[in-house]
Amino acid sequence: AQTVTQSQPEMSVQEAETVTLSCTYDTSESDYYLFWYKQPPSRQMILVIRQEAYKQQNATENRFSVNFQKAAKSFSLKISDSQLGDAAMYFCAYRLLHYGQNFVFGPGTRLSVLP
Amino acid sequence: DTAVSQTPKYLVTQMGNDKSIKCEQNLGHDTMYWYKQDSKKFLKIMFSYNNKELIINETVPNRFSPKSPDKAHLNLHINSLELGDSAVYFCASSRVAGPKTNEKLFFGSGTQLSVL
Repeated sequence: AQTVTQSQPEMSVQEAETVTLSCTYDTSESDYYLFWYKQPPSRQMILVIRQEAYKQQNATENRFSVNFQKAAKSFSLKISDSQLGDAAMYFCAYRLLHYGQNFVFGPGTRLSVLP
Repeated sequence: DTAVSQTPKYLVTQMGNDKSIKCEQNLGHDTMYWYKQDSKKFLKIMFSYNNKELIINETVPNRFSPKSPDKAHLNLHINSLELGDSAVYFCASSRVAGPKTNEKLFFGSGTQLSVL
């Protein structure tokens, strides 16, 4: 079965500091996409960042960046200059490129930002 | 305009009742999904439709029946509700998976179902 593992159920970070959330996944495929989604208390699922597996360059979106290690099947999210509004559940996910493939999510990491 | 809208946002009902959740997307996507988020926040795929055709049907009790009248709509009907059905149900849509379709999953705002 295809799985996504997020080994940190909870993390905390001081405001303005940097935090890294870890994610590993298991697939035998070589082509897929990887995503980080954020779910604040409002419950809305918000895309934070995405990465194509065929690209070696790590994706960045403002204060958010990833460390994609394809051989290790690792896709960690780094949040720089953490803000109070970053407090949320963070879900790692991937999607294979075959027709009919859905998005597979990890169990999530709850991030708290301390003032 | 809301890209993926689902109604209702909250649903409180008695055990044994039948209820429906509606979902509509205006993004022109061919693929729609239902995900269930349990009390531990784990997101699990339930169903996926592509252009009205069922393509993913995970191990879900047959009390759950999805209906897609057209590719913009995917409704979820639940018969004989049980306590364990209490969860947040998310509708979502995306483009069809394929090479270079770097498309994200667009979520509705979720329906919190509470079965008493």
